[in-house]
Amino acid sequence: GAVVSQHPSWVICKSGTSVKIECRSLDFQATTMFWYRQFPKQSLMLMATSNEGSKATYEQGVEKDKFLINHASLTLSTLTVTSAHPEDSSFYICSAMSRRSGTYNEQFFGPGTRLTVL
Amino acid sequence: AQSVTQLGSHVSVSEGALVLLRCNYSSSVPPYLFWYVQYPNQGLQLLLKYTSAATLVKGINGFEAEFKKSETSFHLTKPSAHMSDAAEYFCAVSLALPGSARQLTFGSGTQLTVLP
Repeated sequence: GAVVSQHPSWVICKSGTSVKIECRSLDFQATTMFWYRQFPKQSLMLMATSNEGSKATYEQGVEKDKFLINHASLTLSTLTVTSAHPEDSSFYICSAMSRRSGTYNEQFFGPGTRLTVL
Repeated sequence: AQSVTQLGSHVSVSEGALVLLRCNYSSSVPPYLFWYVQYPNQGLQLLLKYTSAATLVKGINGFEAEFKKSETSFHLTKPSAHMSDAAEYFCAVSLALPGSARQLTFGSGTQLTVLP
């Protein structure tokens, strides 16, 4: 149980285009989903926290107009990188928190999406 | 606020040797602590977690960690390294506050290399 998928697993796009990444909780309902960004050989940096049915909360320094997050249902959150540029190339990882997690704050992570902007 | 420091960005051990990955935390309130493993181009897999119950926590793949409040540490150990243990390991902390944002703060990671 507690499986999180991401689609696509990798994407290459041209500079100036937009890219949408999906994060799905396959066997549980996720009231909260998180989006992280990871540069090579570095740690995960939290970009935003999204709760189903409400606006995402972005971390300081993350442009919300550039990284659009939609948490439309209890099993799906999407991250859209708008007008992507080469500096947006990174590994994007989502995680989901199950209602069953209780107070343990356990997050279940997706496999990540490798974005390369040419 | 909370933070995590992982000492040693790279650790190398011989196959069969003891694995010790260090993690120290800073938290203004009692923390929850986690160790995750990441294989190349993959997401994170939970190894183990401390949630204020037993201070010695056993996880998957033979790993364990001990919460030491006096030392603010949560070091990860495994008695005998296996080649398949080679990966990146992250220590993470979150606040044990009911109804909190439940955000994880990650350490910088430790790359474990297992030598034959």
